[in-house]
Amino acid sequence: QVQLVQSGAEVKKPGASVKVSCKASGYTFTTYGISWVRQAPGQGLEWMGWISAYNGNTNFAQKLQGRVTMTTDTSTSTAYMELRSLRSDDTAVYYCARSVELLPPYFDSWGQGTLVTVSS
Amino acid sequence: QSVLTQPPSVSGAPGQRVTISCTGSSSNIGAGYDVHWYQQLPGTAPKLLIYGNSNRPSGVPDRFSGSKSGTSASLAITGLQAEDEADYYCQSYDSSLSAHYVFGTGTKVTVL
Repeated sequence: QVQLVQSGAEVKKPGASVKVSCKASGYTFTTYGISWVRQAPGQGLEWMGWISAYNGNTNFAQKLQGRVTMTTDTSTSTAYMELRSLRSDDTAVYYCARSVELLPPYFDSWGQGTLVTVSS
Repeated sequence: QSVLTQPPSVSGAPGQRVTISCTGSSSNIGAGYDVHWYQQLPGTAPKLLIYGNSNRPSGVPDRFSGSKSGTSASLAITGLQAEDEADYYCQSYDSSLSAHYVFGTGTKVTVL
């Protein structure tokens, strides 16, 4: 069965960077994209961006442009999301999700989430 | 604030039917873009409930159904059960936003 397993919780200081991993199994990694979605405490879902696991093409939410990088390692079927210059309002649970490519894509399998806390 | 507006909460007794609206505009739902729905149980990751406006993934009970008309979409839950108590989000595409892929504001369903 499809599984996405994310790295563990992180605590970072303002201005630092965080890199979250998402290891996929149960399907051919390169035939789907991976999207990243975050959820601040008590808030709704926010789409952050997408990466094609086939060719590495990316598409990011405008508000995160310049601060976010998404990469994949096809040898280990792992996707990564790095967020730089962290601020307190970046405190959230970060999810990776497998993207089925329609317009808009839908997210049919999700990781368990990674809590990133930004605090001085 | 999201461009897709949902009621903050809906409630119903076990066995009843509840509906959740997702109201957009001519740059998203009204432009013909598909709507997908997710269920998020407390403390867990979201789960795909409906894709392509009205399609259920394998394993999703047929108590859940989706529809779309004009600039809005709806999720209906018939025969409401205690385990349906969760947050529900719609998702679509907006051509006027740099974020492109947008989620609704979310609706908390309470089973009385």
